Amino acid sequence: AQSVTQPDIHITVSEGASLELRCNYSYGATPYLFWYVQSPGQGLQLLLKYFSGDTLVQGIKGFEAEFKRSQSSFNLRKPSVHWSDAAEYFCAVEGLGAGGTSYGKLTFGQGTILTVHP
Amino acid sequence: EPEVTQTPSHQVTQMGQEVILRCVPISNHLYFYWYRQILGQKVEFLVSFYNNEISEKSEIFDDQFSVERPDGSNFTLKIRSTKLEDSAMYFCASRLTRGGEQYFGPGTRLTVT
Repeated sequence: AQSVTQPDIHITVSEGASLELRCNYSYGATPYLFWYVQSPGQGLQLLLKYFSGDTLVQGIKGFEAEFKRSQSSFNLRKPSVHWSDAAEYFCAVEGLGAGGTSYGKLTFGQGTILTVHP
Repeated sequence: EPEVTQTPSHQVTQMGQEVILRCVPISNHLYFYWYRQILGQKVEFLVSFYNNEISEKSEIFDDQFSVERPDGSNFTLKIRSTKLEDSAMYFCASRLTRGGEQYFGPGTRLTVT
């Protein structure tokens, strides 16, 4: 069964510092990979996604993520964090069935809460 | 910008009661989903729905749960007889194409007392 691990439950950074949130997945093939962000009281907003091709993907709000097949990782990065980035971040995978099909079931990691100090 | 909406934002119900959580997906989307998040835990997939039928469901989605698209705009999740452990945030999502992005609603917080 596919699984997603986000090893860091809570990360604190200073405003302006760089950020890396870790995500590892377990799946037989390369799944579709996603990062979502959730602010308090809000739904899940997609930051970026990887389906195929260039392993460095750019997303909204200045975020990027790099897919590393050899490490089964899809870490999220931002060079300079803003106070408004404080939120909870979720990595998710969509596994592909036989023939590359999927009904869209997302498997989520447990989330990383980001706190930003001024 | 089109968005997924959910009502109510918070529902309190007594154990054993039936609840219906409502979602209005983005209007031209074809694939619909329910997820839930118990406080402090992961977001979990419940069910996917396409072409007026369930395409996939999780072990959580037992006989107490049902989904319906009663008209061209609403997508509902019904829990027949709620249990304390059904207390969670329930998220609806929709997407246009099979390989596309899922757009999530803001969630309904269900509290079962």
